[in-house]
Amino acid sequence: DAGITQSPRHKVTETGTPVTLRCHQTENHRYMYWYRQDPGHGLRLIHYSYGVKDTDKGEVSDGYSVSRSKTEDFLLTLESATSSQTSVYFCAISESAGAAQPQHFGDGTRLSIL
Amino acid sequence: QKEVEQNSGPLSVPEGAIASLNCTYSDRVSQSFFWYRQYSGKSPELIMSIYSNGDKEDGRFTAQLNKASQYVSLLIRDSQPSDSATYLCAVGGYSGTYKYIFGTGTRLKVLA
Repeated sequence: DAGITQSPRHKVTETGTPVTLRCHQTENHRYMYWYRQDPGHGLRLIHYSYGVKDTDKGEVSDGYSVSRSKTEDFLLTLESATSSQTSVYFCAISESAGAAQPQHFGDGTRLSIL
Repeated sequence: QKEVEQNSGPLSVPEGAIASLNCTYSDRVSQSFFWYRQYSGKSPELIMSIYSNGDKEDGRFTAQLNKASQYVSLLIRDSQPSDSATYLCAVGGYSGTYKYIFGTGTRLKVLA
């Protein structure tokens, strides 16, 4: 299995609070991604990173920010959580550039915003 | 029209039968195609990649790609109850920006 660790695995918090999810990889892969998965919508890309300090927006980036200060860590922050951000969040990594490379996923974080 | 479409299912097949899962995509410049298996409450797991027209076999799994018709399929031979899961199709390409789009998945149930 790809060495990807997401933390926390489960979190319950209240509307309006900040939340940070962490993704840590031991594969030294350049590309890292954050997705959310919701019934009826499948996996949707939030943000991705193509190197340290290099990030870009995905399909559903509003309300989310990311940071990558080290190759191995990619953080997803909800500045002020809303109930619509209740979801399962997956981090993924890929070895190199481009859409030809398959992505490998972490175990996910189940986030509930009350 | 969704960029990557899959029938949500459930697709029910008896144990030992061939399960056929289909995926269509809308972007003609798509270059790479992937099948993931996702068990309930778990993360997606890559099972097949295919990049050129034709068939690619790996054990009981065969991926088929037809770029002219813009579809990719996954055949599972000798289906087992342990194959019961949701199968996600993902399509990758670059047209000015990087894209890697997932379908919503087909739920497969293999009946013992």
